[in-house]
Amino acid sequence: DIQMTQSPSSLSASVGDRVTITCRASQSISSYLNWYQQTPGKAPKLLIFAASSLQSGVPSRFSGSGSETDFTLTISSLQPEDFATYYCQQTDSIPFTFGPGTKVDVK
Amino acid sequence: EVQLVESGGGLAQPGGSLRLSCEASGFTFSDYWMHWVRQVPGKGPVWVSCINSDGSTINYADSVKGRFSISRDNAKNTLYLQMNSLRAEDTAVYYCARMSTHRSSWYLYKWFDPWGQGTQVTVSS
Repeated sequence: DIQMTQSPSSLSASVGDRVTITCRASQSISSYLNWYQQTPGKAPKLLIFAASSLQSGVPSRFSGSGSETDFTLTISSLQPEDFATYYCQQTDSIPFTFGPGTKVDVK
Repeated sequence: EVQLVESGGGLAQPGGSLRLSCEASGFTFSDYWMHWVRQVPGKGPVWVSCINSDGSTINYADSVKGRFSISRDNAKNTLYLQMNSLRAEDTAVYYCARMSTHRSSWYLYKWFDPWGQGTQVTVSS
């Protein structure tokens, strides 16, 4: 199975900050990498698919980059509604594994 | 509106059974692969199982193989997860999710969207 790791596991930030989250795969997954946002009590919501493609309706302050084993999610200017937990997911091969998450909270 | 609504969760004893349902609306259900994913609070989601559009291809996580069974009824726009021989470690929120795809050159990108609201499964005596 492909293992996914994320760093940091949590971070504290302020509104307007630029936030970067890293995801690493245990083997090359090309660009088969998705990012999801989850708030408490809710289902994960798709932000980015295919490493860098913005899902329709997702604000342009979210962006994704990377390929092979190293990927990044960037929030260019953090907004109040962005305080949440972010997960990466690989869809290169079954089982489609997720990272452990990065919690973004208020500084 | 594209929507997935799960039901069937609840409390089960170790060794017991539950059947989860996921009713789809707002899209052509029979065109899509569907997945089950579970999540323990504070942990990342864990993929459980998937089924292709006509039910002819099925995959399971090793942790549930032989105990869980995924199926679908395209006439009823409903996905199912039959869970038998339940264990305490099966306790989680269970989500169904639609898998969308996009082909670019020789790549077939896949992602989960939308997800249902989730249904809680608790296995305890």
